Amino acid sequence: GESVGLHLPTLSVQEGDNSIINCAYSNSASDYFIWYKQESGKGPQFIIDIRSNMDKRQGQRVTVLLNKTVKHLSLQIAATRPGDSAVYFCAEKPGADGLTFGKGTHLIIQP
Amino acid sequence: DAGVIQSPRHEVTEMGQEVTLRCKPISGHNSLFWYRQTMMRGLELLIYFNNNVPIDDSGMPEDRFSAKMPNASFSTLKIQPSEPRDSAVYFCASGRWEPQHFGDGTRLSIL
Repeated sequence: GESVGLHLPTLSVQEGDNSIINCAYSNSASDYFIWYKQESGKGPQFIIDIRSNMDKRQGQRVTVLLNKTVKHLSLQIAATRPGDSAVYFCAEKPGADGLTFGKGTHLIIQP
Repeated sequence: DAGVIQSPRHEVTEMGQEVTLRCKPISGHNSLFWYRQTMMRGLELLIYFNNNVPIDDSGMPEDRFSAKMPNASFSTLKIQPSEPRDSAVYFCASGRWEPQHFGDGTRLSIL
């Protein structure tokens, strides 16, 4: 039979608009969360992280929101630019273990 | 500053051959992680080291895979013998606490 790869959800946003990428995590013991950006042919690049004792953290043009009640994480990118086009991954980390990555969202910035 | 350095960037070899992937972590980082990325399974943690000691290798797919970290500035991931299903992009990441910083990966193709 034909093999099926991951079908990444795609978010298309007009340049200059804000974007919100959502992520559901699975492990209620996770106490650290992180967003990475991956461009074609490159490794994941750190964007922003947040610990479980916080529900919001802001960086430059980016904000991460954490809702532990429903195990939901979101990444907001303000005033998007063409260079923001990439695949975005959320990841969770329970204690000292390694990261568990989500499946990723493909963000496309339309000119 | 130099980031995580992986070599080779691309490797194409025939099944049954031994493959060795190399990683130089960022100086001063005490944790090192090996991940594999495929279309089918996304990004998966294979093994991680803390202070050169393997901590968790539960993600290593089978005995054909082995990883070593002889010193703080070098790690290898070896596949022997290689199989076509090992084809993937292999990433190394390092960190001192958080976050982890990724190299640009080795794209491995087993024919």
